[in-house]
Amino acid sequence: QAVLTQPASLSASPGASASLTCTLRSGINIGTYRIYWYQQKPGSPPQYLLRYKSDSDKQQGSGVPSRFSGSKDASANAGILLISGLQSEDEGDYYCMIWHSSACVFGGGTKLTVL
Amino acid sequence: EMQLVESGGGLVQPGGSLRLSCAASGFSFSSNSMSWVRQAPGKGLEWVSYIGGGSRTIYYADSVKGRFTISRDNAKNSLYLQMNSLRVEDTGVYYCAKSDFFDPWGQGTLVTVSS
Repeated sequence: QAVLTQPASLSASPGASASLTCTLRSGINIGTYRIYWYQQKPGSPPQYLLRYKSDSDKQQGSGVPSRFSGSKDASANAGILLISGLQSEDEGDYYCMIWHSSACVFGGGTKLTVL
Repeated sequence: EMQLVESGGGLVQPGGSLRLSCAASGFSFSSNSMSWVRQAPGKGLEWVSYIGGGSRTIYYADSVKGRFTISRDNAKNSLYLQMNSLRVEDTGVYYCAKSDFFDPWGQGTLVTVSS
């Protein structure tokens, strides 16, 4: 079982909100981890969006709009990237990441379609 | 403005070697950890290696351990990745990224391992 699992795809309408999940493998407690989120558009390198561990330990990337926010669902052992007021330019691939046992681990990515 | 520029990619036969470079500017290079992250064609992100600012801390992904060597020259604001015993599955775009939260990323350099 992968350390981080993301749904392969998600579709949402312009103006709506999208909730992208990043589920940690059973036995790895999300409460102890900072979850990092990245956006990648075709032909471009990934861009850092934000980091979230708790409401007192979070960081927004430079220039990243406040409609991108992070949270956690402890009951699901998952990190969440919430994008509100979806815009067409939000289309792309989204990756979550953690540092685990002296290694960096990425989720498989979610392709977000805004239509 | 922070900038990272990778170079050194190219076509190499299986079993061959390549040395990638990443030139950094716009920030205090020696004060920041750096990483290499790769992306196979049409696939997700895979972390490759990490090096601390003073080169005392180094980590590798299991997939490259023993074959790749990360290093840096703080006097030249440069990061390197020596890749030996290359395999077909090492093919992809290699990005360098600043700090443990990977911000920013370079544009990447393409490595193709093929006979």
